[in-house]
Amino acid sequence: DAKTTQPPSMDCAEGRAANLPCNHSTISGNEYVYWYRQIHSQGPQYIIHGLKNNETNEMASLIITEDRKSSTLILPHATLRDTAVYYCIAAGANSKLTFGKGITLSVRP
Amino acid sequence: GAVVSQHPSWVICKSGTSVKIECRSLDFQATTMFWYRQFPKQSLMLMATSNEGSKATYEQGVEKDKFLINHASLTLSTLTVTSAHPEDSSFYICSARVGLGTYEQYFGPGTRLTVT
Repeated sequence: DAKTTQPPSMDCAEGRAANLPCNHSTISGNEYVYWYRQIHSQGPQYIIHGLKNNETNEMASLIITEDRKSSTLILPHATLRDTAVYYCIAAGANSKLTFGKGITLSVRP
Repeated sequence: GAVVSQHPSWVICKSGTSVKIECRSLDFQATTMFWYRQFPKQSLMLMATSNEGSKATYEQGVEKDKFLINHASLTLSTLTVTSAHPEDSSFYICSARVGLGTYEQYFGPGTRLTVT
C-alpha cells in the first residue's frame, strides 16, 4: 500500500470548516483513499473513501487532486466533538488497512 | 447499521493467565475480521486477519501461539491472549468488513487489557 503523509496536528474554530490535507504521491491506480478518525480511547470510525472523484457524505467531503497524489478531507462545520486523530490511508479494495500517525485535529470553542 | 461490539471493554488479569476478548458484528455478517493493538500515544498496529472458517493470518512479528484467534462464525471472532505478561497490556481493537466488494471497515470500541 502507498505511504501517506499528514501534518501532525492542526486546529480550527468551532463552526468553521476544517480542511485536513494528505499526501499520497506513490498511490497506485487501484488504491483508494480512506479516511478514518479515532476519538480518544475509542475504536476508529469510518468517514469516507474515494478513488478518483470527489465524494461527499453526511460526515465530510473528500477532494482528490486530478493526479491523485494528494487529497483533502473537509469537515464543513467543525464541532468540539470532531476533535480526534484523523487517519488518511491509501489501500486497495479488500486490502488490510495500515494506520500511520494521523493528524490530530483540535477544535477550539 | 454496521455495529461492532467487543467484550469486555476492559479487563485486568494476573501475569501468566489467559484472557479472551470477543468481537461481534451485531447487524451484519462479517466475512473478514481484523485485530489491532494500540499502545499509548501510538497508532493502531494490525495483528492479524481472520476469515470465517479458516486460520488467521498473522502479521510479521506477532506470535500466533500467544495470540489465538478464532473466527468460528460470520458474526463472532475471539482473540485469546495466552500466558499474558505486563508488556501485553494494551488497547485491543477489532474491526469487521462486511464482505468482498465493500470497502469500509467497522471498528469495535476496543478492549483495554491490563496485566499485573
